[in-house]
Amino acid sequence: EPEVTQTPSHQVTQMGQEVILRCVPISNHLYFYWYRQILGQKVEFLVSFYNNEISEKSEIFDDQFSVERPDGSNFTLKIRSTKLEDSAMYFCASRDLAGAYNEQFFGPGTRLTVL
Amino acid sequence: GQQVMQIPQYQHVQEGEDFTTYCNSSTTLSNIQWYKQRPGGHPVFLIQLVKSGEVKKQKRLTFQFGEAKKNSSLHITATQTTDVGTYFCAALGGSGGYQKVTFGTGTKLQVIP
Repeated sequence: EPEVTQTPSHQVTQMGQEVILRCVPISNHLYFYWYRQILGQKVEFLVSFYNNEISEKSEIFDDQFSVERPDGSNFTLKIRSTKLEDSAMYFCASRDLAGAYNEQFFGPGTRLTVL
Repeated sequence: GQQVMQIPQYQHVQEGEDFTTYCNSSTTLSNIQWYKQRPGGHPVFLIQLVKSGEVKKQKRLTFQFGEAKKNSSLHITATQTTDVGTYFCAALGGSGGYQKVTFGTGTKLQVIP
């Protein structure tokens, strides 16, 4: 069964460093999303992406964040200058344009630790 | 912005007991989804509800959408240890058509064997 993949599974970085989190959505999906989940808390929407541009973004998704689909398969989230409070699990998700239930398929996540 | 609250935050049940989580929105919802997240795992889609008063069943799980489309519930009959996890409701919205997803606060279910 096709699945969303994410790399790395765990990223440790120093405060102020740039990180790029990578995702490979399911191949025929056209909508892409990033979420984050601080340990023990709810899943928070960051951004949605369709047709090579951002569709929606949350208040969390400030100028420090950017997304890109550099080729036909990867979808990346860049945090320019990481802060301690960026430590969280980051989930990528994708969905099919024609999906009857708007079902989003989530990747396994990247745990980001900012020291 | 839109707020989606769930109660209870935590629930411990004996295996075989029933469990219900309630989801309440500050605004009227066009539709609502439910996800399950196992410990250490990622959210997995369970179902979407669209119509006012809609009830859907998946084996021991029953999902309801309120008449006013501002609340929803998930009921599990005769819980099993495999039901352990956190259950989230999620509201879809945004100007681009379901491009913004607001997750509820979640209910963490623990099943005691």
